[in-house]
Amino acid sequence: EAGVAQSPRYKIIEKRQSVAFWCNPISGHATLYWYQQILGQGPKLLIQFQNNGVVDDSQLPKDRFSAERLKGVDSTLKIQPAKLEDSAVYLCASSPTLLATGELFFGEGSRLTVL
Amino acid sequence: SQQGEEDPQALSIQEGENATMNCSYKTSINNLQWYRQNSGRGLVHLILIRSNEREKHSGRLRVTLDTSKKSSSLLITASRAADTASYFCATSPQGGSEKLVFGKGTKLTVNP
Repeated sequence: EAGVAQSPRYKIIEKRQSVAFWCNPISGHATLYWYQQILGQGPKLLIQFQNNGVVDDSQLPKDRFSAERLKGVDSTLKIQPAKLEDSAVYLCASSPTLLATGELFFGEGSRLTVL
Repeated sequence: SQQGEEDPQALSIQEGENATMNCSYKTSINNLQWYRQNSGRGLVHLILIRSNEREKHSGRLRVTLDTSKKSSSLLITASRAADTASYFCATSPQGGSEKLVFGKGTKLTVNP
């Protein structure tokens, strides 16, 4: 079974530029998450989708971050304009059911460096 | 916000020794999960323990949960160099949206 696919693996940009990350979850998984992991810290949830609807985006900095999950399958996370503090690994995860019953399956992450 | 806090932040042991990591959390939970992250990689699920369970085993892993103290521990027995990684606890808080909240992690180094 193919895992969660993310691209690009690495991205370096200047501050105020824009960047987009792509995620393809495990086939059939209804729930998709984007987490931000700053070096030395645990992942922080940015946004959670159930199919193509947003369940939780309370910690998403909406003035610069946006995310969509068209057709309830793959998803894109965009940052525009980027700030130095956005340097982090952006992790996508999916699960087949609601969290109360199961685990998350993570991709390898997209490492962003903002100069 | 971080719900779980792991202790210690870093742990260094010799191969063959046992490693114990602790996690404390703040609010009532549906379940608690432990994940492992090798350097530069994504997180991998290790074990899930529900709020009505007290102990769970999976291979060399043993997890305990004390809901009265809002704490959990992860024991890795007979550690191997390949166990070197960061370990995170994650909680599914009761009420609110079905999300998983991660702690800051324990960095385990197993020396050969």
